[in-house]
Amino acid sequence: GQNIDQPTEMTATEGAIVQINCTYQTSGFNGLFWYQQHAGEAPTFLSYNVLDGLEEKGRFSSFLSRSKGYSYLLLKELQMKDSASYLCAVRKPRSGNTPLVFGKGTRLSVIA
Amino acid sequence: DVKVTQSSRYLVKRTGEKVFLECVQDMDHENMFWYRQDPGLGLRLIYFSYDVKMKEKGDIPEGYSVSREKKERFSLILESASTNQTSMYLCASSPYAENYGYTFGSGTRLTVV
Repeated sequence: GQNIDQPTEMTATEGAIVQINCTYQTSGFNGLFWYQQHAGEAPTFLSYNVLDGLEEKGRFSSFLSRSKGYSYLLLKELQMKDSASYLCAVRKPRSGNTPLVFGKGTRLSVIA
Repeated sequence: DVKVTQSSRYLVKRTGEKVFLECVQDMDHENMFWYRQDPGLGLRLIYFSYDVKMKEKGDIPEGYSVSREKKERFSLILESASTNQTSMYLCASSPYAENYGYTFGSGTRLTVV
C-alpha cells in the first residue's frame, strides 16, 4: 500500500519561515520529490531527496529521514509569490520509470 | 521554451462523446504519464507509458485508454465521456533516470456536460 500525508492548508506571514511536513508509508522507497503548483497552473519541480539529510536550494530546503518516513520543505524569507500548493511525491523502487505517487498537497497562503 | 504541450487548455464535451487529449514532449523522454487532478483528491495516475507502444494502467484507468505510437506523443482517450470525468488532466514526461522528476504540461480542464 501507499499513503502520503500532508497538511491541507497553512498560512504564514511575508518574510517569515514556514515548514511543510510530509509523511509517507509506502511499500518501498526510491526518492521523494517536492513540487510547487500555483492556482490554475502545472506543478513545477522544486527538490529531490533520496538520501537522509538536508538539500538546500536558495530560499527552499528539503529534508528527508527514511527511517521515519518523513520529509519537510522549508521556505525562508517568504514572499507573496510563494502562495501556492506544495505537493510531496514518492517514487517506489523498480527502476527509472516508476511513476510518482503524490500527496494531496498543502495550500500555503502568504499574508502581509 | 515549452517542453510538454497539451493540445487544449479548456475543453467542453457532451456526455457520450469520444474525447482525445493530446500531449507532445520535445525532450526525448522515455516515460510519459497522464494524471487527473481533483480538489481534495490530489493527482491520481490514469495511465503511463515507458516506451513506444507500451502502456501500463495506473490507479484509475477505468473509462480511459491511451495510445503511444511515437515517442514524443501520448494520447489519452475517453471512450464515452461522462460527467464524473470532468477534471483537470495533466500530462507529464520524464527520462529513464531515478533522480529526475516530471516535467508537466500546462493541463487541460475538461468539462463534460
